[in-house]
Amino acid sequence: SQQGEEDPQALSIQEGENATMNCSYKTSINNLQWYRQNSGRGLVHLILIRSNEREKHSGRLRVTLDTSKKSSSLLITASRAADTASYFCATAVQAGTALIFGKGTTLSVSS
Amino acid sequence: EAGVAQSPRYKIIEKRQSVAFWCNPISGHATLYWYQQILGQGPKLLIQFQNNGVVDDSQLPKDRFSAERLKGVDSTLKIQPAKLEDSAVYLCASSSAGGETQYFGPGTRLLVL
Repeated sequence: SQQGEEDPQALSIQEGENATMNCSYKTSINNLQWYRQNSGRGLVHLILIRSNEREKHSGRLRVTLDTSKKSSSLLITASRAADTASYFCATAVQAGTALIFGKGTTLSVSS
Repeated sequence: EAGVAQSPRYKIIEKRQSVAFWCNPISGHATLYWYQQILGQGPKLLIQFQNNGVVDDSQLPKDRFSAERLKGVDSTLKIQPAKLEDSAVYLCASSSAGGETQYFGPGTRLLVL
């Protein structure tokens, strides 16, 4: 079963704009992760946030986690055409267990 | 460091045929996962191995799917017989024991006709 629900399902922006994707989940978690998937490729790990953290940054990525609302957001600043991909949130109920993925947000960045 | 290797990259078969996928995880990674990703959806776990033992196969359709990880390194996922609804991308991932981050291979795209 799907744990997470990403919102929006699809997002189209211009280069240089910021992109925000949201994720909601259902059960208590140990950590939440964001992955990127380019068309026809495997998933690439972007960032991980643990349940006791509220915000993390990595380069142009900023992720927040609100465990009271069971939700997370991923912000990509100054988007580039190369950011065009599908983005998935995934949760782990315990460290080292399988990930439960949402359906993903498809981001299209045009130049 | 070499990533997760999978083969074949693409496979087309007729329904009721059998098919096998192979995965070679990152060297030293004790945990190996197989996920199924149907078009338009996120990956869904099929089976998780820790070394050569099964940790979680609760979502594996055991009447047609089987997997093994002999010697705790490479793994093979088999489907026999295949159904139309098995058309999907099969992703292999690995992590260190207890590791939080999973590293994914490029996947095998299966089309069942």
